[in-house]
Formats: sequence, C-alpha cells, structure tokens
Amino acid sequence: QKEVEQNSGPLSVPEGAIASLNCTYSDRVSQSFFWYRQYSGKSPELIMSIYSNGDKEDGRFTAQLNKASQYVSLLIRDSQPSDSATYLCAVNKRGGNKLTFGTGTQLKVEL
Amino acid sequence: NAGVTQTPKFQVLKTGQSMTLQCAQDMNHNSMYWYRQDPGMGLRLIYYSASEGTTDKGEVPNGYNVSRLNKREFSLRLESAAPSQTSVYFCASSEMAGLALGNTIYFGEGSWLTVV
Repeated sequence: QKEVEQNSGPLSVPEGAIASLNCTYSDRVSQSFFWYRQYSGKSPELIMSIYSNGDKEDGRFTAQLNKASQYVSLLIRDSQPSDSATYLCAVNKRGGNKLTFGTGTQLKVEL
Repeated sequence: NAGVTQTPKFQVLKTGQSMTLQCAQDMNHNSMYWYRQDPGMGLRLIYYSASEGTTDKGEVPNGYNVSRLNKREFSLRLESAAPSQTSVYFCASSEMAGLALGNTIYFGEGSWLTVV
C-alpha cells in the first residue's frame, strides 16, 4: 500500500464548476497535510496546508481533513481554465522532517 | 521560485559519466532536499539534510551521493550515470527540520537530466 494515494485522473470539469480532488494516506501518525499545484514543465507550488480535522478555506480553495478516515481533499470552486494542472497531495509525519507525496491528480477545466 | 536555485537546468549524459547537480537557497532555511520526479511515480525523496552538517537517505538513494556544503548549498552527485536515472530533479528547502505547523518546503525550478 502506498503511503499517499491519489487518483491519477484526468479529472475533467467544466468552467465554473467545483473540482474535488481526493487523497488518502496510510500512516496514522501523519500530522501535516499539503496540497501543491504543478503546471506542466514547472515546479510544484504550495496551495494549501491543513493540520486539524475539518475544513480550511482560502479564496476559491477549501482543504478538508478527516484523520479518522485518513482522508484529505481539496475543493476548487468556480474552476477556471488556469486551474488546469496536476495537484499533488503531501503528508508529513509527526516530528518528521520530510514530505511524502502522492503521484498527483491531473485536473482539466474545460471551456 | 522562492529563492531556490538549481543548476544546470538541462543535461544529457552518457551512461557511466558522472555529474553534480548544484542547489543553493537564499532563505536561510535549515533543511534541504533532493527529489526526483518520474511519470506515474510522483515525487520521490532521494536524500535530505535536516540541518547543516547532516544528511540522510530518502526513499531512492541508490546511485546518488550528496554534500551539504554549507547552510545555503546542497549538491547531488551521480557517480556513474545510468539510463534509469533519467528524470527531473528538484531541490527544495524548508525553514526548520520537523516541518512544524506553518512550514513547508519550497522547490527550485528543476533540472532535466537524460542519460543515454
């Protein structure tokens, strides 16, 4: 079982819709969770981080964490073509000093 | 990209050649990392340095060596390149070891390496 799992996609959504990206992790001692966006040929950039159960909102982005189910998700409201990218989920264990990444979900926002 | 600079950006090597990827950060970060990214495999940690003077193996260290030259610089060396090392390499840094709440890692722009 992979430590961090994501559906590779592609996930296609129409412009203006809500995109829902999901991630599961295997290690219960994981503490910090991050979502990165990566455009083709570019480096990953941080979008959101979340540490506590529940929702965290930042503009059009909402991260959701459920530690009991070992599940973290990213919602993108009012999706735009510029949101088309690969979204990487990353997990850090308590006291650890490195991130473990999922393989990423490719999102396509269609006009 | 948040003050992490990698060189070279592109490199073609022949099997068996050696080379060093250089990385420097100007954010006064303690921790530095080398990842590789391959299609379908995601980002995998090669080596990391939690603080100046220390280095540790990550998930895929075989065939690589690293040097934490000082607080700013962290290099990755391929002693005898193999086609399996064809990949995109990312250097990254973070503010403190432990990735405590509020901290994350920042990536350089990447180095595209092809081994023929």
